[in-house]
Amino acid sequence: GEDVEQSLFLSVREGDSSVINCTYTDSSSTYLYWYKQEPGAGLQLLTYIFSNMDMKQDQRLTVLLNKKDKHLSLRIADTQTGDSAIYFCASLTFSGGYNKLIFGAGTRLAVHP
Amino acid sequence: EAGVTQFPSHSVIEKGQTVTLRCDPISGHDNLYWYRRVMGKEIKFLLHFVKESKQDESGMPNNRFLAERTGGTYSTLKVQPAELEDSGVYFCASSQARAAKNIQYFGAGTRLSVL
Repeated sequence: GEDVEQSLFLSVREGDSSVINCTYTDSSSTYLYWYKQEPGAGLQLLTYIFSNMDMKQDQRLTVLLNKKDKHLSLRIADTQTGDSAIYFCASLTFSGGYNKLIFGAGTRLAVHP
Repeated sequence: EAGVTQFPSHSVIEKGQTVTLRCDPISGHDNLYWYRRVMGKEIKFLLHFVKESKQDESGMPNNRFLAERTGGTYSTLKVQPAELEDSGVYFCASSQARAAKNIQYFGAGTRLSVL
């Protein structure tokens, strides 16, 4: 089946940039997403990118997509303690006539002073 | 506008018991999804409703799991009888019909602990 892989843990200093990486296997994925889960909360959609784009910027967030290598990254500029959370990468896969999301295991981002 | 709400937030039951999880999607969203995250692993798709119809239940683990969405509004996911490996966080999500970007909005999840 289709798969999404992420590194499990990232630690950064406050004010530095964070880069969270993800690889996926479905070359026909139309959209790729980044979700954020803070402690005790649900999944919050952070940003998404359409597969025909290679970059999308939204304030402190930059998404890079390398479709050839099936590699997605999320860069957070000027990382703050409030950015500490689990970040999930997800790809939209068309299967059985309908779309569904395939998630990675999540990257836990720890921001320290 | 209210988001996706799930009840209960946490459930602790013994092996062999029955548990029912509930999800209220965003009003007007035809698509409703159930997902599960077990032991800090990936979030896995369980099934997808369009209104009251099950469109894709390829992710349901076995016949101990039963999902319903009577009337096309809220949905329930029943586990009967529960086993230890059913422990995890169950997420519900909803999206609009034929949404081009298929943006799914998630609830806070129900943490199920089977002892």
